[in-house]
Amino acid sequence: AQSVAQPEDQVNVAEGNPLTVKCTYSVSGNPYLFWYVQYPNRGLQFLLKYITGDNLVKGSYGFEAEFNKSQTSFHLKKPSALVSDSALYFCAVRGPLEAGSYQLTFGKGTKLSVIP
Amino acid sequence: DGGITQSPKYLFRKEGQNVTLSCEQNLNHDAMYWYRQDPGQGLRLIYYSQIVNDFQKGDIAEGYSVSREKKESFPLTVTSAQKNPTAFYLCASSQLQATLGANVLTFGAGSRLTVL
Repeated sequence: AQSVAQPEDQVNVAEGNPLTVKCTYSVSGNPYLFWYVQYPNRGLQFLLKYITGDNLVKGSYGFEAEFNKSQTSFHLKKPSALVSDSALYFCAVRGPLEAGSYQLTFGKGTKLSVIP
Repeated sequence: DGGITQSPKYLFRKEGQNVTLSCEQNLNHDAMYWYRQDPGQGLRLIYYSQIVNDFQKGDIAEGYSVSREKKESFPLTVTSAQKNPTAFYLCASSQLQATLGANVLTFGAGSRLTVL
């Protein structure tokens, strides 16, 4: 079975400071990893994904994430937080297709608050 | 603009009533999904469909039903058998499962169902 853990329910960061939202995963085989963002009363929006290749993945709105296989982590980062980054962030994982894994498993979400 | 339209945005239902949530996409995506979102629980998959006239149960299908008569449409019925239906419901779509575009989901804005 595949699973995702987002250990922090909420992260507070001052505007202009770097931010990190943590994610660890468990899956059989090589993982497919994703970050999505949700603004209040809206659907989720895709931010970035890791399929293979470079461990540092760059995505939308200046976000990036680093895949660390040994630590089974895929933390979301941004060098300088904006107030408009305040939202709910979801990490998601899927196992390899050859293992019959087609669906994403989402974490419970981390609420990011950027303080002016 | 291409996207996913969910309706209604807000819905109130009396106990014992069935209710149908609409989901329409004009992205020409083959796969469509229904998720349920509850505070602090992330997203849980209810049903998904990869082709017309075919769909599969997700993790929490009990008390729900779907149909896929057209590629563009994937309505969800919340039946009276669903014991705790109050939640935020999200519809999503993606390219075919077995492609690298799979799991980059496009979400609708959601439908909030409240049972009175």
